Amino acid sequence: EVQLVESGGGLVQPGGSLRLSCAASGFTFSSYAMSWVRQAPGKGLEWVSAISGSGGSTYYADSVKGRFTISRDNSKNTLYLQMNSLRAEDTAVYYCAKVAEGPDYYYYMDVWGKGTTVTVSS
Amino acid sequence: SSELTQDPAVSVALGQTVRITCQGDSLRSYYASWYQQKPGQAPVLVIYGKNNRPSGIPDRFSGSSSGNTASLTITGAQAEDEADYYCNSRDSSGNHLGVFGGGTKLTVL
Repeated sequence: EVQLVESGGGLVQPGGSLRLSCAASGFTFSSYAMSWVRQAPGKGLEWVSAISGSGGSTYYADSVKGRFTISRDNSKNTLYLQMNSLRAEDTAVYYCAKVAEGPDYYYYMDVWGKGTTVTVSS
Repeated sequence: SSELTQDPAVSVALGQTVRITCQGDSLRSYYASWYQQKPGQAPVLVIYGKNNRPSGIPDRFSGSSSGNTASLTITGAQAEDEADYYCNSRDSSGNHLGVFGGGTKLTVL
C-alpha cells in the first residue's frame, strides 16, 4: 500500500524554525517527484514546494521562497521541508503528496498524507 | 489572488448532475487535476489529465476542458459527494502544480 506519513508539526514562535518530515512507503520513492501543499485554517489549498525524484531540482511558491527549503533522502524514503523565519500566516496543515506525470507532460498529485499541523504564534 | 477561479459554492439535488468549473489562462495549454476534500480529511485525487479517474473513483466523476475552462462533472450526485473540490494546474511562473483554485463547496440536497 502506498503511504505517506507527515511529522514534525507543532507550535513555534514567529521568526522560529521547524522541519517537517514525510515518510514514504509502498512505492519506489526515488522515481517520483514530491510536493508539499498547505491549508490555512478555514482556507483553501496552497501549493508550497516540489522536488524532483533525484532531488536535483526544486521549486517554490513565491510566498515561501528564501525561507523554506525542500529536500529528500532517497536512502531513507523521506521528504523534508525546512521552514525558517516563520510567520503567523504560515500557520496551516501541511500535506506531502506524491507527484505523478502523465504522458502529455502534465503532473498531478495522486497520493496524499494526512497532514501535520504547524502553528506560528507567540 | 488565485490564477484559477472557481465558484465558491454549488448545490445539486440528490441524483442530479452538477458541473464544477475552473477558469484560468494556463488551462488553455495545460490540463487541470481535481481534488475532493471532505471535512477533516486530506484531499483525494478524482480526475487528472484529459479525463482520467484513479482506481476507486466512481465513474460518475468525469472531466472536460474547453478554452480557458476546465470542468468536473458529477453525473448522479450522491450524498457522499458533498465536499470541497479544488482544481490545480500550472502557474504563470512555470511551476506545474503551482496553483490551486479557491475551491468549490458542493452541497447535495
